[in-house]
Amino acid sequence: GENVEQHPSTLSVQEGDSAVIKCTYSDSASNYFPWYKQELGKRPQLIIDIRSNVGEKKDQRIAVTLNKTAKHFSLHITETQPEDSAVYFCAGDNAGNMLTFGGGTRLMVKP
Amino acid sequence: DVKVTQSSRYLVKRTGEKVFLECVQDMDHENMFWYRQDPGLGLRLIYFSYDVKMKEKGDIPEGYSVSREKKERFSLILESASTNQTSMYLCASSWTGGGQPQHFGDGTRLSIL
Repeated sequence: GENVEQHPSTLSVQEGDSAVIKCTYSDSASNYFPWYKQELGKRPQLIIDIRSNVGEKKDQRIAVTLNKTAKHFSLHITETQPEDSAVYFCAGDNAGNMLTFGGGTRLMVKP
Repeated sequence: DVKVTQSSRYLVKRTGEKVFLECVQDMDHENMFWYRQDPGLGLRLIYFSYDVKMKEKGDIPEGYSVSREKKERFSLILESASTNQTSMYLCASSWTGGGQPQHFGDGTRLSIL
């Protein structure tokens, strides 16, 4: 089955700097890679996703890149703000309907 | 907007009790999931259901069972609760087919004493 590894486990940046979170996956058949943001005490919420026929996708200050050959994908947040502080999870699909999640990255944005 | 509702935000039970966690979704999604969330371990799949009365084991099914009698409702059952089942439990739902995002409930923080 799919195995997804996520790095780093914690990330601290100054407000206004960029943050990058990286994930690798094992199953070359995976085609769908969502990213979730979980604020303290709240549910994980989908913030961006990418499919295997696309190399990059942007939505305002966040972007995701995918390298299918190397089997890794990354989340990029530019101009970070304190409200970006949260735990971020990457995931890859497997067996069509299921997602395998990475271990999560705790992002702290210092004002 | 998709709404996934879990019956309790916080629950405290005793070792050996039978515990029921309930989840309801309002989007007519075929798929429903139960995850366990522990620090540093991400979200681990306990069970998955792709239709009424259908279920598949996830990565950590031991000590758990599930029930899906109606499409909108998916229940997680701890047959005989143990302290190592103290955790955050998250329910999610999605459409069927590849590449579908999952929508999560607010979670149930379960403590087994």
